[in-house]
Amino acid sequence: GAGVSQTPSNKVTEKGKYVELRCDPISGHTALYWYRQSLGQGPEFLIYFQGTGAADDSGLPNDRFFAVRPEGSVSTLKIQRTERGDSAVYLCASSLRTGVNEQFFGPGTRLTVL
Amino acid sequence: DQQVKQNSPSLSVQEGRISILNCDYTNSMFDYFLWYKKYPAEGPTFLISISSIKDKNEDGRFTVFLNKSAKHLSLHIVPSQPGDSAVYFCAARYSGGSNYKLTFGKGTLLTVNP
Repeated sequence: GAGVSQTPSNKVTEKGKYVELRCDPISGHTALYWYRQSLGQGPEFLIYFQGTGAADDSGLPNDRFFAVRPEGSVSTLKIQRTERGDSAVYLCASSLRTGVNEQFFGPGTRLTVL
Repeated sequence: DQQVKQNSPSLSVQEGRISILNCDYTNSMFDYFLWYKKYPAEGPTFLISISSIKDKNEDGRFTVFLNKSAKHLSLHIVPSQPGDSAVYFCAARYSGGSNYKLTFGKGTLLTVNP
């Protein structure tokens, strides 16, 4: 079956602009996660959804970052007033339910802020 | 403060030999450990995992060893194949309420030479 998909695969924007990154999880997976991978680092947790609600957004760097999952499936990560330091690969993952050991990752969106 | 450390940024081995990738952690609340493999332009894919109640888990060519007293785990690949060339991430998960959140190391780039 289809894996986690993310669009766009690459996004180049200018400092100060607004961007939206989309994640389509595996069908039937109730848990969804966003991670950010900066150059030379491992993925870092941003936010976790169980169903439609954000159960833990403690990893979001600041209030410029926001994520939604209105129907419990597709999720959108929104970044306002982008800064050069936001440049990274944004990874989405899903799992069948919370606490399941394996999270399935998408290919990521590479965000470049000029 | 890195709670999961992969101190070797890269490792090069000959095809057919053993690859040993190491990982150290500092937080004794971690109770489950995972290895992910990542090819360029793809998301991390789950490889193998181990619970803190075990000291070894084997899956085909891949074996993970856990030394809780030393807070150390290692991934052994025998025999190594050129297709194993990738970045390997060690990840850890808390017990209890935050059991959805993975904490990753920085990764080790494995190159298997034909």
